[in-house]
Amino acid sequence: DAGITQSPRHKVTETGTPVTLRCHQTENHRYMYWYRQDPGHGLRLIHYSYGVKDTDKGEVSDGYSVSRSKTEDFLLTLESATSSQTSVYFCAIKQDANTDTQYFGPGTRLTVL
Amino acid sequence: GQSLEQPSEVTAVEGAIVQINCTYQTSGFYGLSWYQQHDGGAPTFLSYNALDGLEETGRFSSFLSRSDSYGYLLLQELQMKDSASYFCAGRNSGNTPLVFGKGTRLSVIA
Repeated sequence: DAGITQSPRHKVTETGTPVTLRCHQTENHRYMYWYRQDPGHGLRLIHYSYGVKDTDKGEVSDGYSVSRSKTEDFLLTLESATSSQTSVYFCAIKQDANTDTQYFGPGTRLTVL
Repeated sequence: GQSLEQPSEVTAVEGAIVQINCTYQTSGFYGLSWYQQHDGGAPTFLSYNALDGLEETGRFSSFLSRSDSYGYLLLQELQMKDSASYFCAGRNSGNTPLVFGKGTRLSVIA
């Protein structure tokens, strides 16, 4: 299994509070991704990174920001959480541009009350 | 951009064969991937088709026809453990991220 972890695994928070989710990899893969998964919507891309300090928006980026200061860590921040951001968040990594094989972390279940 | 369409649910009998279809619309196309996700788990990579034709990996096969913008995942000798959601995914070029279909929930019944 690819060495990819997410923390926390579960979190309950209140509307309006900031939340940061962490994705950590030990594979030295260049690409990292944040997805959210909701019933009926499949996996939707929030933000992704193609290198240290290189990030770009996905299809559902509003209300989210990311940072990647080291190869191994990709942080997802909800500046002011809303109930619509209640979801399961998955991080994924990919070695390089020539492959479609992405390895997913175990996921973080976030509930915003 | 890309969009991928797949059936939302499929039910099949243990020991049988099932085919999960995926059609896509895209301005460019780099290949079709398939991922499996069990309830409560993370998606895991199953297969990738860069070229037209059939790719076989054990009980699973994946097919791509670029001219028809169509692909499918074929699961043979179905087992109860194959009950899961299956996602097709594609991208436009090397740097662009994968776009996933909404997933097909496969239920294998005795």
